[in-house]
Amino acid sequence: KAGVTQTPRYLIKTRGQQVTLSCSPISGHRSVSWYQQTPGQGLQFLFEYFSETQRNKGNFPGRFSGRQFSNSRSEMNVSTLELGDSALYLCASSFEQLNTEAFFGQGTRLTVV
Amino acid sequence: AQTVTQSQPEMSVQEAETVTLSCTYDTSENNYYLFWYKQPPSRQMILVIRQEAYKQQNATENRFSVNFQKAAKSFSLKISDSQLGDTAMYFCAFPSAPSSGTYKYIFGTGTRLKVLA
Repeated sequence: KAGVTQTPRYLIKTRGQQVTLSCSPISGHRSVSWYQQTPGQGLQFLFEYFSETQRNKGNFPGRFSGRQFSNSRSEMNVSTLELGDSALYLCASSFEQLNTEAFFGQGTRLTVV
Repeated sequence: AQTVTQSQPEMSVQEAETVTLSCTYDTSENNYYLFWYKQPPSRQMILVIRQEAYKQQNATENRFSVNFQKAAKSFSLKISDSQLGDTAMYFCAFPSAPSSGTYKYIFGTGTRLKVLA
């Protein structure tokens, strides 16, 4: 069974640009959640999607958005990038609810210059 | 607020020795899961072990075991016969659903474990 796939692995963007990250969950998993990992703030929850609907949202500004497609693949978008958005973005998939174990991708390392 | 605390930022252990990583959490929920994840330099978070709060028996997975104390809200990870491949960041995680009924993971700040040859 293929694991969680995140693309791209690395990105370098300029302040003010926007970026789209992609996550393909494990086959059969319908829940996809996103996390931002930084040395200063640790791992912080961004949002969770289930059956194409945002089910839960963390405390991030509206510049961070996401969506989920009918095949459960998810994208997250960050507009008007700031230097502080530089981070590792992790995607996790689970079967239905996040109260059971989540399986993580290898992350996308975003650097904003 | 629901929180997860890991009080040991860094630890080291000699190969083949045993090490225990600490985690405490705060929740008003009664039935929940707790997890330990490992993040090696490759960055991928890998599930190490999980514990269901309603089970009194401590979870064990090969060389990994937990000491779960529900009343004390403590969830420590013991690694026996440490191997060089155990070198990684270890995160304690708690899926929280305070009111909405939908869950999000709350992570501790992590413990960087180095296994020494």
